[in-house]
Amino acid sequence: AQKITQTQPGMFVQEKEAVTLDCTYDTSDQSYGLFWYKQPSSGEMIFLIYQGSYDEQNATEGRYSLNFQKARKSANLVISASQLGDSAMYFCAMREYNQFYFGTGTSLTVIP
Amino acid sequence: DTAVSQTPKYLVTQMGNDKSIKCEQNLGHDTMYWYKQDSKKFLKIMFSYNNKELIINETVPNRFSPKSPDKAHLNLHINSLELGDSAVYFCASSQVVGATQYFGPGTRLLVL
Repeated sequence: AQKITQTQPGMFVQEKEAVTLDCTYDTSDQSYGLFWYKQPSSGEMIFLIYQGSYDEQNATEGRYSLNFQKARKSANLVISASQLGDSAMYFCAMREYNQFYFGTGTSLTVIP
Repeated sequence: DTAVSQTPKYLVTQMGNDKSIKCEQNLGHDTMYWYKQDSKKFLKIMFSYNNKELIINETVPNRFSPKSPDKAHLNLHINSLELGDSAVYFCASSQVVGATQYFGPGTRLLVL
């Protein structure tokens, strides 16, 4: 089974609108971590946000928030007030037993 | 100051050659990683070192050999390059094993 599943290969959003990028995960570990990274067309991998499995509150970092639903094993990224610079690939990742697994990514395009 | 740096940024070479990619981090992190990102953007961990000791060694051809001369450096040497080695190779570091990883800019390897 896939450790990380991102079912949306491509998404479009209007500038200034909010968008949700889906991520589900599979683990039997009780202590794990969930991450989101952004990869713009320039190629670098930029860390966005982290959620620990024991964190009760959803993580937020500026316009990014992580909608963590533990029972459903989902860790969706919400980007509010989308900007043109948000156009990029977004990767969900999980740390389990000190191993890291990445999803296949979602390509987000922000339309002016 | 660049936190995680890689050299070279681009590498074009012939099949059968041997090449090295260097990585340095100035974050004072204990753990470093090598990832391979293929043409479909799939990111897979190859190796991880913690305090100069190998802790993750995924199923990678033994033509790939990592070397960590000290905590701040993790180099990747590739022998007898093959066409299928063409990819982007990312170095990353984290404060400790399992913590948030910060990535270098990537090295784009093209084997002709």
